[in-house]
Amino acid sequence: DSGVTQTPKHLITATGQRVTLRCSPRSGDLSVYWYQQSLDQGLQFLIQYYNGEERAKGNILERFSAQQFPDLHSELNLSSLELGDSALYFCASSGRGAGTGELFFGEGSRLTVL
Amino acid sequence: GIQVEQSPPDLILQEGANSTLRCNFSDSVNNLQWFHQNPWGQLINLFYIPSGTKQNGRLSATTVATERYSLLYISSSQTTDSGVYFCAVGQSGGGNKLTFGTGTQLKVEL
Repeated sequence: DSGVTQTPKHLITATGQRVTLRCSPRSGDLSVYWYQQSLDQGLQFLIQYYNGEERAKGNILERFSAQQFPDLHSELNLSSLELGDSALYFCASSGRGAGTGELFFGEGSRLTVL
Repeated sequence: GIQVEQSPPDLILQEGANSTLRCNFSDSVNNLQWFHQNPWGQLINLFYIPSGTKQNGRLSATTVATERYSLLYISSSQTTDSGVYFCAVGQSGGGNKLTFGTGTQLKVEL
């Protein structure tokens, strides 16, 4: 158990819909990262938050947004969903401030868009 | 952006065999981590190793940053070692914004 909690584990929805994925980092970790794993793109960094503020952005679509709340949990919002958004979405956290250090992943949220 | 290449892409071993997985990267890094994705999809951190050598049980890793490669050694492999092994790298100022390789799919058979 990495200590990173993600919900829901599985989600099936239709094109055009909106979903929210939730993540609680390890106790004490201030940094939260979102990654997407798809068959065609592999594992890709989406976005990082550190203590409530956006710190780094990767290949995140404009239809996607995220935030980190004062209790440090984070949410990834995916809207106007397309078939190609079907993927495994991981949240990860690390403890060494906003910098490097071991990255611990949650079990992921598997999104299927029909 | 930085390119990360892993080899071999696929590997089948008999239980008890040893193996070496390689990760080459195209630019200087200050962050390198190895992960194991088990058959249930879970990503487990094996090593944080931007340079040097580390060992953890039957696994060890070496990163030669100046030559832009890292190696993961698995000794006395077990069926529970099956899964995909990913190398991921990050560059200065990028924190844990990591670029992942395409992985090595390992299957350990009895």
